[in-house]
Amino acid sequence: EAQVTQNPRYLITVTGKKLTVTCSQNMNHEYMSWYRQDPGLGLRQIYYSMNVEVTDKGDVPEGYKVSRKEKRNFPLILESPSPNQTSLYFCASSLVASLYNEQFFGPGTRLTVL
Amino acid sequence: AQSVAQPEDQVNVAEGNPLTVKCTYSVSGNPYLFWYVQYPNRGLQFLLKYITGDNLVKGSYGFEAEFNKSQTSFHLKKPSALVSDSALYFCAVSLKTGANNLFFGTGTRLTVIP
Repeated sequence: EAQVTQNPRYLITVTGKKLTVTCSQNMNHEYMSWYRQDPGLGLRQIYYSMNVEVTDKGDVPEGYKVSRKEKRNFPLILESPSPNQTSLYFCASSLVASLYNEQFFGPGTRLTVL
Repeated sequence: AQSVAQPEDQVNVAEGNPLTVKCTYSVSGNPYLFWYVQYPNRGLQFLLKYITGDNLVKGSYGFEAEFNKSQTSFHLKKPSALVSDSALYFCAVSLKTGANNLFFGTGTRLTVIP
């Protein structure tokens, strides 16, 4: 089944404890992206990657890191999480980086930082 | 500034009645517009998109959307609502030439009343 998977689905952590949220897609997509969803704000893009070893900042990149060493994986790293990073996170992918292509979303990771 | 707006946080409609979820946009140049749906505890799913051509776009689950350039709108419609259509709906515009970064509206929660 073609899909985007994320792990973990739920995570409660404490301020300052480094964490990684994994994202993997099995559709051989070039483009991958991370969003955070907050009430009243919709989805905002954190980082995106147009291909392996090519990443760039989205609208809200502060406090996050990403890497794209393999085509299928695009982990999101929080080096020192803070409470304002409590949110619902979505990974997404599309075939290529194009204005026309729809994106496929993972199931989401709900992160709580205490 | 380029943006997309969903003026209604909540829309209630009786089962069997037609539904409309509103979206307006402000984009320089040709807009590439999308609708996504989010069911509880799920990631976003693509419904339909407007790139060019016919102003009436048909998508998944019986949904359609009408692109209106003069009113800068892209409203989502369905002739007969189902209880299973109850979900959170997002309008999005594709920005940034060379990538397909999506800029999302704040979402509209649709409740279909049996």
